[in-house]
Amino acid sequence: ETGVTQTPRHLVMGMTNKKSLKCEQHLGHNAMYWYKQSAKKPLELMFVYNFKEQTENNSVPSRFSPECPNSSHLFLHLHTLQPEDSALYLCASSQDLQGYGYTFGSGTRLTVV
Amino acid sequence: AQSVTQLGSHVSVSEGALVLLRCNYSSSVPPYLFWYVQYPNQGLQLLLKYTTGATLVKGINGFEAEFKKSETSFHLTKPSAHMSDAAEYFCAVTQRIGTYKYIFGTGTRLKVLA
Repeated sequence: ETGVTQTPRHLVMGMTNKKSLKCEQHLGHNAMYWYKQSAKKPLELMFVYNFKEQTENNSVPSRFSPECPNSSHLFLHLHTLQPEDSALYLCASSQDLQGYGYTFGSGTRLTVV
Repeated sequence: AQSVTQLGSHVSVSEGALVLLRCNYSSSVPPYLFWYVQYPNQGLQLLLKYTTGATLVKGINGFEAEFKKSETSFHLTKPSAHMSDAAEYFCAVTQRIGTYKYIFGTGTRLKVLA
């Protein structure tokens, strides 16, 4: 596959569950990002990884835990979420951190019940 | 500090009419500017970008945008709207040097009327 692939596309979880979101890119990019998209709000940058190293944690609650085992894969581990965490979670990648444009995945629509 | 303002959260145009989506930015250093499109239940797709050079940039699907430094604007246009253009459009800015952080606008939802 080409581009950025996110799985699952949809996820419903209870507040006591633990789940993980997966993002994979085969573009040879070195930087990967997690964004949260909520209704009527600007996209919120959550985490940034460059060459597998986390370069930014944008004051994200600890119930969200990212993992980047290599430059092609990015995970977002979820536990004890709140209903207000329901949103579209988007993964993106870029060649580097120079800002030439992202490639986004299709997102995971998360609903916390 | 940087910021992006998209005027109009909803825009409706008739099929075949001109599409104009407005974006104004604020940046203390030379910016990189982007337009992204998001179709329902999809991620964002890069439409076009301005980094350096020619201020009129052409993107996919017949869209284009012009960087106007004096007006701090980067409006998106398309001469003739098509039904398939119905989507949400996001303007974004980042800096040429220093931080890589993107600042996204709040989006403009485009509706195309038959």
